[in-house]
Amino acid sequence: EIVLTQSPGTLSLSPGERATLSCRASQSVSSSYLAWYQQKPGQAPRLLIYGASSRATGIPDRFSGSGSGTDFTLTISRLEPEDFAVYYCQQYGSSQYTFGQGTKLEIK
Amino acid sequence: EVQLLESGGGLVQPGGSLRLSCAASGFTLSSYGVSWVRQAPGKGLDWVSVISASGGSTYYADSVKGRFTISRDNSKNTLYLQMNSLRAEDTAVYYCAKRAAVGPYYFDYWGQGTLVTVSS
Repeated sequence: EIVLTQSPGTLSLSPGERATLSCRASQSVSSSYLAWYQQKPGQAPRLLIYGASSRATGIPDRFSGSGSGTDFTLTISRLEPEDFAVYYCQQYGSSQYTFGQGTKLEIK
Repeated sequence: EVQLLESGGGLVQPGGSLRLSCAASGFTLSSYGVSWVRQAPGKGLDWVSVISASGGSTYYADSVKGRFTISRDNSKNTLYLQMNSLRAEDTAVYYCAKRAAVGPYYFDYWGQGTLVTVSS
């Protein structure tokens, strides 16, 4: 089973700053199988990025994804107040899905 | 508008059973695989099970294999999760999530979840 490790656990930033979130896999993951989600308190997760770098429908272009192999990154270029949330990476392999433990992005 | 609405959660004793339902609207459920994903209170997301569009293929996380059964009734546009031999560690909000139109490797629509509490 592939394990996804996200870092940092908590990221404290101010609106307007740039956020860089990391997702590291225990073994190589196809970029096509890597996604990022945003979850706000009391809400279901929302798909942000799929295929490691493609934005889902309706996602602002300040969100971008990159990476390959075992290292993937979600970047938010200029934080807006509504971006403070928990972010999860997710991968698919061998008919199984796994999620990282999440990064909490909080207002500094 | 695509909507997924879970129901059937509640309080159950350890060793008990519960059946969750997920009613889909705004799209043809039979065209997509669907999963259950859970989230324990204050914790992260934990994938539980997936069923293919036809229902012919099902897969489970090791933690629920042999205890949970996923099924679907495409004529009713509804997904189910039969949960038996429930344990305290199964306590979570259970979400149904539709496989994405852009690829079956992610989920593009999620329900709002139903809370399952396993406790005596």
